[in-house]
Amino acid sequence: NAGVTQTPKFQVLKTGQSMTLQCAQDMNHEYMSWYRQDPGMGLRLIHYSVGAGITDQGEVPNGYNVSRSTTEDFPLRLLSAAPSQTSVYFCASSYSTDTATNEKLFFGSGTQLSVL
Amino acid sequence: AQKVTQAQTEISVVEKEDVTLDCVYETRDTTYYLFWYKQPPSGELVFLIRRNSFDEQNEISGRYSWNFQKSTSSFNFTITASQVVDSAVYFCALSEARDYGGATNKLIFGTGTLLAVQP
Repeated sequence: NAGVTQTPKFQVLKTGQSMTLQCAQDMNHEYMSWYRQDPGMGLRLIHYSVGAGITDQGEVPNGYNVSRSTTEDFPLRLLSAAPSQTSVYFCASSYSTDTATNEKLFFGSGTQLSVL
Repeated sequence: AQKVTQAQTEISVVEKEDVTLDCVYETRDTTYYLFWYKQPPSGELVFLIRRNSFDEQNEISGRYSWNFQKSTSSFNFTITASQVVDSAVYFCALSEARDYGGATNKLIFGTGTLLAVQP
């Protein structure tokens, strides 16, 4: 059981380049989300999806696009990278059950992105 | 607006000491969910606990315990007899509830507390 898989683990971009951070989960989770982690700021929600075909903006969505064509995949696209997007990115997923007493949000291992 | 405050930026203790990590939250919701995550130096995020706002019973899991007090909007985390392996950044987080029950899991994180346990 792979859980939440993020690729790549590391990436260096030049300002203005585009790229896609991949996220896949094999747990049939409905909920998937992307966070970015910056020093001294904790994690902040970028985009969020409650199921295939449905996405929503989080706290810091500007500069990022997402789509959810399948339950398993939730890619994050940077259309024109900026130095301010240098961060560690985490993908997460969870079940949608409403009665679980200890429902977990499963996180991937992260992608460290540097934009020069 | 929802907010999570972890006022302790860094804590350093000697092995076998007890340590409490503070978490104070703000929300207008009557139903919400609180979480603690551990981020060891390797960088992954490890789930520790999820607590519903309507369950104020304290939780104990081995050396870990959590004290949830709605009256003070706090959800503090205590490690008893700390060990070097407990060294990590610990995050407290808050999630609103869905209209039909359960957490949205759109987490609002605190800024984290770096715990260093010295041998």
